[in-house]
Amino acid sequence: DTEVTQTPKHLVMGMTNKKSLKCEQHMGHRAMYWYKQKAKKPPELMFVYSYEKLSINESVPSRFSPECPNSSLLNLHLHALQPEDSALYLCASSQAGQGNTEAFFGQGTRLTVV
Amino acid sequence: AQSVTQLGSHVSVSEGALVLLRCNYSSSVPPYLFWYVQYPNQGLQLLLKYTSAATLVKGINGFEAEFKKSETSFHLTKPSAHMSDAAEYFCAVSGAGGSNYKLTFGKGTLLTVNP
Repeated sequence: DTEVTQTPKHLVMGMTNKKSLKCEQHMGHRAMYWYKQKAKKPPELMFVYSYEKLSINESVPSRFSPECPNSSLLNLHLHALQPEDSALYLCASSQAGQGNTEAFFGQGTRLTVV
Repeated sequence: AQSVTQLGSHVSVSEGALVLLRCNYSSSVPPYLFWYVQYPNQGLQLLLKYTSAATLVKGINGFEAEFKKSETSFHLTKPSAHMSDAAEYFCAVSGAGGSNYKLTFGKGTLLTVNP
């Protein structure tokens, strides 16, 4: 199984809502990532978890809160978002600690903030 | 610092023609380089990767890339384009900021294939 599964596929939320994005993989990867991708732009790294610990936070606003409950799951909690946060949110996973290993990406969650 | 530059934001070819997508890297150490493809409204899929084992790397769907240290290039090619190759292609390098976890993408090249 080389899949990274993200739910939901689409999400529309108001600026006062609280929602969560979910990501799951069963490849035994111990590194998991959240990326944000705006239209016609490359993905931008947001967070990296390594062995279930937050390893990298790319100065992401606190209205985005990541969580890694176990080695297979990764969540992104959203609260008080702005319309400019509308984007495709991609989860990825890889083997930990090795620069030559590829990241496997999920299909993404298309988020619209209204 | 590791970075990649993709030359040409849009490449258009005829079906059956050669596909050439350009990527140049900047790295102070031997880089780990990747090509990913993204179809509309989907995630990214790995086409191939360079990890110093061989300079000519073969990937999926008939794509290949050649690592040329003298030219700091890692261009992606396919001998004969198919309509299904129409997508966005990203070159990427890992190791930015000294972290193996940081994958830095180029700006992408949109490939269109004309019948």
